[in-house]
Amino acid sequence: DGGITQSPKYLFRKEGQNVTLSCEQNLNHDAMYWYRQDPGQGLRLIYYSQIVNDFQKGDIAEGYSVSREKKESFPLTVTSAQKNPTAFYLCASQALIRDRAFFGQGTRLTVV
Amino acid sequence: GEDVEQSLFLSVREGDSSVINCTYTDSSSTYLYWYKQEPGAGLQLLTYIFSNMDMKQDQRLTVLLNKKDKHLSLRIADTQTGDSAIYFCAERPKAGTALIFGKGTTLSVSS
Repeated sequence: DGGITQSPKYLFRKEGQNVTLSCEQNLNHDAMYWYRQDPGQGLRLIYYSQIVNDFQKGDIAEGYSVSREKKESFPLTVTSAQKNPTAFYLCASQALIRDRAFFGQGTRLTVV
Repeated sequence: GEDVEQSLFLSVREGDSSVINCTYTDSSSTYLYWYKQEPGAGLQLLTYIFSNMDMKQDQRLTVLLNKKDKHLSLRIADTQTGDSAIYFCAERPKAGTALIFGKGTTLSVSS
């Protein structure tokens, strides 16, 4: 069953800690994306990657880091430099030719 | 610059039609999309339209595109309480680039 999987669904972070959000897809998609969603803000692009071992900053990359060592995986690390990390994080993937993006179910990160 | 605008709220009664509107700025956008988000969930692709089309119909959903005015609309016929969700309009300025989303329209359906 093809799809895109984010884990965990809920994540709690203490101030000053780094946390990593997982995103895995078995759709054989080339491109993967991370978005942040805040109430009333819509979706804002954090990072994206169109091929393995390459990624680009989006609109709000400060305080975040990513890696793309495998086509299937695009983990997002929220570092201690991100001052307001509490949000809903969405991962998406797309085949570059077909252009439709498919989303995971999201990870809700809360700072405690 | 690139921007997608939507009204934030729409309230309708069950059985009525809902029309959600969107304007976009990049005339080179090749694809335009409508996504649905239910509470606590990811985004589900509802439908999309190529920029060379004026209309697309899919069961209860009708998408209208006015490329001259850069206006996109989603009509939901016979709206049901299960249609209550946030609806996002998105554009893709050119193939292979990231989607640009509006802030979403919250549709509330009352019985």
